[in-house]
Amino acid sequence: DSGVTQTPKHLITATGQRVTLRCSPRSGDLSVYWYQQSLDQGLQFLIQYYNGEERAKGNILERFSAQQFPDLHSELNLSSLELGDSALYFCASSPATLGHEQFFGPGTRLTVL
Amino acid sequence: GDSVTQMEGPVTLSEEAFLTINCTYTATGYPSLFWYVQYPGEGLQLLLKATKADDKGSNKGFEATYRKETTSFHLEKGSVQVSDSAVYFCALTDIMDTGRRALTFGSGTRLQVQP
Repeated sequence: DSGVTQTPKHLITATGQRVTLRCSPRSGDLSVYWYQQSLDQGLQFLIQYYNGEERAKGNILERFSAQQFPDLHSELNLSSLELGDSALYFCASSPATLGHEQFFGPGTRLTVL
Repeated sequence: GDSVTQMEGPVTLSEEAFLTINCTYTATGYPSLFWYVQYPGEGLQLLLKATKADDKGSNKGFEATYRKETTSFHLEKGSVQVSDSAVYFCALTDIMDTGRRALTFGSGTRLQVQP
């Protein structure tokens, strides 16, 4: 158990809908990262937050957005969903000062029908 | 940009065989290197890491050495077990870019160990 929690574990929805994925980092970790794992694209970095502020963006679509709240939990919002958004979405967290080691949550499997 | 290349799988071995999974990288700065493992139906777990040249990361019998001259970080294990069956990902973060700490992953290598 990494200490990172993600909810829900599974999500099934229809095209055009909007969903919210939630992540709670390990206690004390200030950085939260979101990754997408799909069969055709592999593991891709989406976005990073550090202590409530956006720190870096990767291959995140404009239809996707995220935020980190004062209690450090984070949410990833996916809107106008398409079939191709079906994937595993991982959240990871890391401490502010200890190297670059990231601890991953169990993931949310999103299926868009 | 940064990239990681790993050998394609699946790699199928018999129990107690020697394992090597090749990984090479391209980075603009001086990266830290990682191996993550993903067991079926689970998230990614950090297996080992190395943060500077010639460092050897090791854990659970797995080893990898940071080779700056060949830009490689090959994963090895002397005797694999059925329980090692999983997907292994090589990854890096580039410490020269102080604003970005995201991991860049390779495509993953599936290991199947047969009894």
